[in-house]
Formats: sequence, structure tokens, C-alpha cells
Amino acid sequence: EAQVTQNPRYLITVTGKKLTVTCSQNMNHEYMSWYRQDPGLGLRQIYYSMNVEVTDKGDVPEGYKVSRKEKRNFPLILESPSPNQTSLYFCATKHSTDTQYFGPGTRLTVL
Amino acid sequence: AQTVTQSQPEMSVQEAETVTLSCTYDTSESDYYLFWYKQPPSRQMILVIRQEAYKQQNATENRFSVNFQKAAKSFSLKISDSQLGDAAMYFCAYRTRAGGTSYGKLTFGQGTILTVHP
Repeated sequence: EAQVTQNPRYLITVTGKKLTVTCSQNMNHEYMSWYRQDPGLGLRQIYYSMNVEVTDKGDVPEGYKVSRKEKRNFPLILESPSPNQTSLYFCATKHSTDTQYFGPGTRLTVL
Repeated sequence: AQTVTQSQPEMSVQEAETVTLSCTYDTSESDYYLFWYKQPPSRQMILVIRQEAYKQQNATENRFSVNFQKAAKSFSLKISDSQLGDAAMYFCAYRTRAGGTSYGKLTFGQGTILTVHP
């Protein structure tokens, strides 16, 4: 079954405590990306990756890092989370046929 | 840069009735995709319907259809015979067909919350 998984699904943390949200896909897709969803703003792209070792900034990259050491995984790293990073995060992958697959979302709260 | 605007924060409809959700976008490109995504309370993003800009024919998926007006940059979603399970947040989204740094990126509207009354 085609799947994009994210972990954790829910996370409450405190300001400054480094965290990683993992994203894994089993579809061998080259393109992966991260979005954040905020009320009234829709979803906005944070970072994307065209392939292994190829990553670039999206529209709202400040405060985030990513890595793409292998095709299936694309973790999102918050080195020093702040309350304005409280949001709902989605990982997404794209097939060459243009179908996009979204993960189930990660609800992050930074106190 | 492309922008997508959904001017209706909330809409409601009676079960079995028809409702139309509005979406406008701004782009200088001629070749792109437009999408409607549904986000139920589970928060999962579900693709409802997709339209290629080069196709004049409006896309249809069962009870869901679009009215694509390329010159007006308008892309509305019509839901016929509304069902309780249609209640969700609906997002309109744009994606270029060109390569470059925008390849694969979806630009979303703000979303419209749809309530279905029994």
C-alpha cells in the first residue's frame, strides 16, 4: 500500500528543545516536501527535495532544517523551536505522474 | 509568484442540495494544474479533483465538478447532492507545470469550511 508516514503525530514541547519530525515514504518518489498549515493561511511550503542530497527552501524556511540522505526519508528538524512554530505539519511526496501524496500530519505545540 | 484566494471562510449547505465553493488565483503562467483538496476532521489531505489548464473541458468526479474560467483565473468547486460526509475544510491549490524551483510546489488558498446540515 502506498504510504507516507509521519512521526510523531502529536508533540508538545518547550521553547528551545531540539526536535525532529520524521517522514518516510514507500513509493520510491524522488520529490518530497514539507508544509505547515495555519488558520487563515492555508498550507505553505517549508522545504522541498528533488532527490537525495538535493534540498531547497520553500516559502517559509526560517527556523527549520531538513536532510535527505536516502530517498525514502525526509526529516524536518527544528533546532530551537519557538512558539510561532506551533502548527500542523504535513509531509508530501510527488510521483512523476504528478500525483501528490500527503502524510497524516503532525500537530506540534511549542510552549 | 502565484497566489490563490478563497474568499469564503465558511459555507453551509443542506443535505442533498448543491453548493459552490469559490477560488481565484493569480499567475503569469499559461500551463499549470489546479486542485481541490478536502480535509476532514481527521486532518488527512484528500485530493478531490484536478484540472489541467490546457484542457478546456471542466473536470468532473462523481458529485464533484469544477467551473474553470482560465481568462478570469477562477476555479470553483460544485458539490451536488451534498452528503454529511462532505463536511470538511476545502482547499484550492495551484501548481506550475514548469520546472525550476517551483517544481512540485503546491500553492494553497486559505481554505473554506463546509458545513452540511441534515
